[in-house]
Amino acid sequence: GESVGLHLPTLSVQEGDNSIINCAYSNSASDYFIWYKQESGKGPQFIIDIRSNMDKRQGQRVTVLLNKTVKHLSLQIAATQPGDSAVYFCAEKDTGTASKLTFGTGTRLQVTL
Amino acid sequence: NAGVTQTPKFQVLKTGQSMTLQCAQDMNHEYMSWYRQDPGMGLRLIHYSVGAGITDQGEVPNGYNVSRSTTEDFPLRLLSAAPSQTSVYFCASSRANPGVAAFFGQGTRLTVV
Repeated sequence: GESVGLHLPTLSVQEGDNSIINCAYSNSASDYFIWYKQESGKGPQFIIDIRSNMDKRQGQRVTVLLNKTVKHLSLQIAATQPGDSAVYFCAEKDTGTASKLTFGTGTRLQVTL
Repeated sequence: NAGVTQTPKFQVLKTGQSMTLQCAQDMNHEYMSWYRQDPGMGLRLIHYSVGAGITDQGEVPNGYNVSRSTTEDFPLRLLSAAPSQTSVYFCASSRANPGVAAFFGQGTRLTVV
């Protein structure tokens, strides 16, 4: 989309396959994580969240995995569809900062037919 | 239920001009924030507010002012526009409880020439 970086890492996935989008974070004090989806010309849209006391959370066709040991977050999308094509951002919240979020730079997901 | 509404959607300013980006939410959220999105970078927090009458600086506050006279509205003012402020601006709101995802507006694309 025109509002998102031109040099984002890109993941190309065939329709029907599973997608895995990764995110590394650096703040060991982060206690809450969110995945957002941003389609071209639109604002970020909430997909799924997870608290730091959990390792895994599942939604509809999406799963978020959290590995606090290596500070890694992943978003798995099952049976990827053309409508999943977008930029995906992870965001983290420091335990001491109320609702203030820090965002990653994003990954572009391209779904091929 | 409109959610988070931003106006205008597009704006071109000349260097040195001032303007206000409007943001309104109808979800009675305590927490509101402004981000800018630039190519190759994640969303960066400009200013935020945890409730009416309370504002604070984010990561990149220089050149911007905010006020929060009501729960619903959180305008962002550019005092003297500079080309470096060319960006896409997003307003977001959420409940103030820790660990609550933010809802985003559709964005304002600002170009400063």
